[in-house]
Amino acid sequence: QVQLVQSGAEVKKPGASVKISCKASGYTFTKYPLHWVRQAPGRGLEWMGWTNVDTDNTRYSQELQDRVTITRDTSATTAYMDLSGLRPEDTAVYYCAREGPRELGNGYDLWGQGTLVTVSS
Amino acid sequence: SFELTQSPSVSVSPGQTARITCSGDVLSTQYAYWYQKKAGQAPLLLIYKDRERNSGIPERFSGSSSGAVVTLTISEVRAEDEADYYCLSPDSSGIYVFGGGTKVTVL
Repeated sequence: QVQLVQSGAEVKKPGASVKISCKASGYTFTKYPLHWVRQAPGRGLEWMGWTNVDTDNTRYSQELQDRVTITRDTSATTAYMDLSGLRPEDTAVYYCAREGPRELGNGYDLWGQGTLVTVSS
Repeated sequence: SFELTQSPSVSVSPGQTARITCSGDVLSTQYAYWYQKKAGQAPLLLIYKDRERNSGIPERFSGSSSGAVVTLTISEVRAEDEADYYCLSPDSSGIYVFGGGTKVTVL
């Protein structure tokens, strides 16, 4: 079954870090880039960054590039998103998404179920 | 970074047509992608490369492009189409940006 399964909800204090995992199954992990997207309560979707799973090259949004790190473990077919220096405004649902087959261009055809991160003192 | 601008909301009666626009200079040279987002669900890819409908998406969803503006059209709107809709585009350096989203309300 082709799917992305994310790790569970997290509660963190301001200033802490969080690391969310995204395990891929049912397809060749290194064939497709993985992106991370978040949505804060009452806000829109925000693109965070992506990794070329094959080469480990990454790109991050300007707004988050000083605090976000995306990595992957090809042997575990798992990608990770690490966000440091957490602030209350980082409270959001975080999604991983696969950039699909070439015919879809840069479209995300497969999504994780989302991980709620709550930042509160 | 660049910006994509969407109108915040659209209201439409069932059976009518909703048009959602997304504008930004990057769209003159890069494709746009449209996603539907409902509460409690992951986003769903509707349209890729400006106008190509994703597999399983009803024909009433269509996309078009003209210069720096892309449009998502929902024909014969149904109650189940009530959702938030987002455009997304990358720039040439591999940075992506979502539009601010458009809330579609079915009256």
